[in-house]
Amino acid sequence: QKEVEQDPGPLSVPEGAIVSLNCTYSNSAFQYFMWYRQYSRKGPELLMYTYSSGNKEDGRFTAQVDKSSKYISLFIRDSQPSDSATYLCAMPKTSYDKVIFGPGTSLSVIP
Amino acid sequence: DADVTQTPRNRITKTGKRIMLECSQTKGHDRMYWYRQDPGLGLRLIYYSFDVKDINKGEISDGYSVSRQAQAKFSLSLESAIPNQTALYFCATKGTGSNQPQHFGDGTRLSIL
Repeated sequence: QKEVEQDPGPLSVPEGAIVSLNCTYSNSAFQYFMWYRQYSRKGPELLMYTYSSGNKEDGRFTAQVDKSSKYISLFIRDSQPSDSATYLCAMPKTSYDKVIFGPGTSLSVIP
Repeated sequence: DADVTQTPRNRITKTGKRIMLECSQTKGHDRMYWYRQDPGLGLRLIYYSFDVKDINKGEISDGYSVSRQAQAKFSLSLESAIPNQTALYFCATKGTGSNQPQHFGDGTRLSIL
């Protein structure tokens, strides 16, 4: 079993839709959870960073962590064409200086 | 200018050739990383370095070597390239502290024929 799993998509939604992106993980020791966004022909960039269970909101983005289910989600409200990208969940390993990345979900927001 | 710069951006080469990918950063970070990205597999760590004298293997280091020439420079070499090393390669840096994110370059697309 992979440590971090994501549905690769592709996911295609109309502009203005609410998007839900999800990851599951197997290592209960993960404490920090990150979402990276990667545009085509670009490197990943950190989008959100959360610690332990609960919700964190940043503008149109909400990150949700359910440690009991080993499940994390990223919600995008009022999605825009500029949100079209691949979204990777990521979790630091014990040393925090190494990170395990999910394979990414490709999202297209259609105008 | 980009904080993390990778060269070249694209490279096509033949099996058996030696290839070097270079990474330089202006962020002043001690920690530097090399990843490869393949469809469906995500980012996998090849090598990482916490300072000039500290080099560590990642999960897929076979067939690769690295050199940390200075705090700001970290190069990845494929001594004898093979087709299954065709991938997108990323360099990343990170500051000290557990809550610091990794900062990525824009990648090198490498094709080995």
